[in-house]
Amino acid sequence: DTAVSQTPKYLVTQMGNDKSIKCEQNLGHDTMYWYKQDSKKFLKIMFSYNNKELIINETVPNRFSPKSPDKAHLNLHINSLELGDSAVYFCASSHHRNTGELFFGEGSRLTVL
Amino acid sequence: DAKTTQPTSMDCAEGRAANLPCNHSTISGNEYVYWYRQIHSQGPQYIIHGLKNNETNEMASLIITEDRKSSTLILPHATLRDTAVYYCIVRAYTGFQKLVFGTGTRLLVSP
Repeated sequence: DTAVSQTPKYLVTQMGNDKSIKCEQNLGHDTMYWYKQDSKKFLKIMFSYNNKELIINETVPNRFSPKSPDKAHLNLHINSLELGDSAVYFCASSHHRNTGELFFGEGSRLTVL
Repeated sequence: DAKTTQPTSMDCAEGRAANLPCNHSTISGNEYVYWYRQIHSQGPQYIIHGLKNNETNEMASLIITEDRKSSTLILPHATLRDTAVYYCIVRAYTGFQKLVFGTGTRLLVSP
């Protein structure tokens, strides 16, 4: 049983396309996150939801739109993909918003051509 | 805005203890020290955290100096599978705070 699962693991697409990455956690956690790891391996937080409510929205282009249909799911939709969006996107969850113990998924590698 | 300083890379022989240092001289009284690691092509993995007392779990030990300005993560018997990037992060425990990753230490465990 994978605690935090992301799909797809790999995604190759053309510039200008729209794509989504899905994330599900079966840990019963209240809080979920999206992190981006670029080619230089820097991990940066993008968004966080707590019980379906957006609580962190970093300086991310509005082409990125997270959606949390319920507290077990946090999806990331990206419009008009650009070359610079190529990265590994990690979903994570935590028991509640105040803890620093996060459980990460295996990542989704997005390549924009 | 990472508040920690770590060596870029370290080497360790398999079976020996790996001691990974971290400097956090500006740590506040309500900030914990967290350690994560990222094995190649995998998501980050939580290891341990502590406030001021030394902590130990099945993965590692965390030694925090009395003035809390630095800490050391100890992997008592390093294995090849411990080769990873190790991140030391300070984060307030109260209230909601982002987990901010720095550049970490790349630990290479060799046979």
